[in-house]
Amino acid sequence: QLQLQESGPGLVKPSETLSLTCTVSGGSISSTTHYWGWIRQTPGKGLEYIGNIYYSGSAYYSSSLKSRVTISVDTSKNQFSLNLNSVTAADTAVYYCASRHGGHGPKFDSWGQGTLVTVSS
Amino acid sequence: QSALTQPPSASGSPGQSVTISCTGTSSDISGYNFVSWFQQHPGKAPKLIIYEVTQRPSGVPDRFSGSKSGNTASLTVSGLQAEDEADYYCSSYAGSNNFIFGGGTKLTVL
Repeated sequence: QLQLQESGPGLVKPSETLSLTCTVSGGSISSTTHYWGWIRQTPGKGLEYIGNIYYSGSAYYSSSLKSRVTISVDTSKNQFSLNLNSVTAADTAVYYCASRHGGHGPKFDSWGQGTLVTVSS
Repeated sequence: QSALTQPPSASGSPGQSVTISCTGTSSDISGYNFVSWFQQHPGKAPKLIIYEVTQRPSGVPDRFSGSKSGNTASLTVSGLQAEDEADYYCSSYAGSNNFIFGGGTKLTVL
């Protein structure tokens, strides 16, 4: 059973870069069946797909966030990371990392518990 | 891309059935058989309950079922139980390795 855990600062200043890491346990991030993704949820609102990455390093991003997002993978640490630059208050959200079973669309089958990131000076 | 459209709320009494709709476009829902549904209880992470329109992951009760017609996908919860009270989100593939979510529906068990 895959387990995912987000980590990173809970407070980021406007215009700076939000950086989060997701540590995967119970399985290998080098799996050929899964992609590794980030999804966020603004307070009281719905879910928003950010992007996902394959163990090879091929990354795919939401068209609405593409200009500000970078997702990377570190197979030696079984981790993947999210960088979101030039943040504003609108980026305040709970950020989830999740595994996605490739070839099945949005089959996000394991999720981290989520981490709240607040953008404020 | 705009979010998929879901009703903000739905409700039913224990034992009844309730259906939640999720409306998209030809660029997402009707373009692919890749619709998922997620259940989220307060303060918890979403949980996958339906994928590929109609498929249930292991461990999800068969009270949960999915369907699709044209631009609209639907989630039906039969034999409502108190523990089904939660937020439900749909998601669809939208091409080019992109995914979109619905705004969520709060299901209340009366």
